[in-house]
Amino acid sequence: EVQLVESGGGLVQPGGSLRLSCAASGFTFSSYWMSWVRQAPGKGLEWVANIKQDGSEKYYVDSVKGRFTISRDNAKNSLYLQMNSLRAEDTAVYYCARAEYSSSSGNFDYWGQGTLVTVSS
Amino acid sequence: SYVLTQPPSVSVAPGKTARITCGGNNIGSKSVHWYQQKPGQAPVLVIYYDSDRPSGIPERFSGSNSGNTATLTISRVEAGDEADYYCQVWDSSSDHMVFGGGTKLTVL
Repeated sequence: EVQLVESGGGLVQPGGSLRLSCAASGFTFSSYWMSWVRQAPGKGLEWVANIKQDGSEKYYVDSVKGRFTISRDNAKNSLYLQMNSLRAEDTAVYYCARAEYSSSSGNFDYWGQGTLVTVSS
Repeated sequence: SYVLTQPPSVSVAPGKTARITCGGNNIGSKSVHWYQQKPGQAPVLVIYYDSDRPSGIPERFSGSNSGNTATLTISRVEAGDEADYYCQVWDSSSDHMVFGGGTKLTVL
């Protein structure tokens, strides 16, 4: 059974940093792109970042470029999101998701339960 | 960047058919995926590559995609289908994943 378990969320002041983790199990982690998707309170889903199987390619939504860094450790079956210079608008539930890509498209076939990040003074 | 437009809400009586649209420029040339999200829960993939269903998703869920509109159709709607639904595509020009704004399905 595929499982994705996020951790590391919490309350942080504006300008602060936080590192999210996602522990994966039930599938060959190193064979899949992985992603972070967030959802602000009462709002819709927003893709945040993707990382290729070997970490050689990474993509970010414009609003987090230069502030957030996605990474992975295939030996530990873990995905990470380092978030720096946090802003109030980064407040959201952050989901770890497995990305299933083909040559023409990609989707998120499994999701974790999410971890809440609150940026507030 | 590529924009996907969904109606904020759709209402349907039990047993009837719900249709949720997702508009985008020439979206018919892209593959569209749909997610269901119930309150307090993570999203669940219900339709992928326009019209395929993951295992465990009822046949009542179907999808189509042509021109500038993709559609998620839920037949014989049940109270348990009440949820938010999101469409999603991969924008190849930017290598970004894009979500629609979401549609709240209300079962009357």
